[in-house]
Amino acid sequence: SQKIEQNSEALNIQEGKTATLTCNYTNYSPAYLQWYRQDPGRGPVFLLLIRENEKEKRKERLKVTFDTTLKQSLFHITASQPADSATYLCALDGTGGFKTIFGAGTRLFVKA
Amino acid sequence: DTEVTQTPKHLVMGMTNKKSLKCEQHMGHRAMYWYKQKAKKPPELMFVYSYEKLSINESVPSRFSPECPNSSLLNLHLHALQPEDSALYLCASSQAENTEAFFGQGTRLTVV
Repeated sequence: SQKIEQNSEALNIQEGKTATLTCNYTNYSPAYLQWYRQDPGRGPVFLLLIRENEKEKRKERLKVTFDTTLKQSLFHITASQPADSATYLCALDGTGGFKTIFGAGTRLFVKA
Repeated sequence: DTEVTQTPKHLVMGMTNKKSLKCEQHMGHRAMYWYKQKAKKPPELMFVYSYEKLSINESVPSRFSPECPNSSLLNLHLHALQPEDSALYLCASSQAENTEAFFGQGTRLTVV
């Protein structure tokens, strides 16, 4: 069955360091992969989308890679700040067009 | 306007009540979604409307009834819910398949 796994439930890092979050998938051939940020009690906020023919995408301090051979995406936040503390969700397109499936998320804590 | 607006923000209802959740977007998006999210879990897709027609129903119990009156509005009618239906209900919209989704802030539903 199709599965999305995000590396850890929680990740603690020091301010100024680079946070690296992992999203692995099995039994999938997604056309694209997305990353969202979610704060407690609020809806997810879109961050980046990367397509299957793209290796890397950047936006300010964010960088996403997509390796369709390894079936893995890495999400990096450079020069992390306490305000980056949130849950980060990866999402892939499931079968059927509009069907977006979310991973369980990784809770990132950035300590000052 | 890049907002998806959901009302109400909070709702408490008894198991015999009938209530409705409302969602509105004015971005001209052609797809609208309902997701259900339990605490510390990822959003789970419930329904997708594409061009005002129901295109995906993820085997949701009939006590949840979606409605799309026009391209800007999406409703979720609730009837005879169970306590286990208590969750954050999220509405989202997107321009098309394979594009980012914009989420509302959600309705926190409690069934008593």
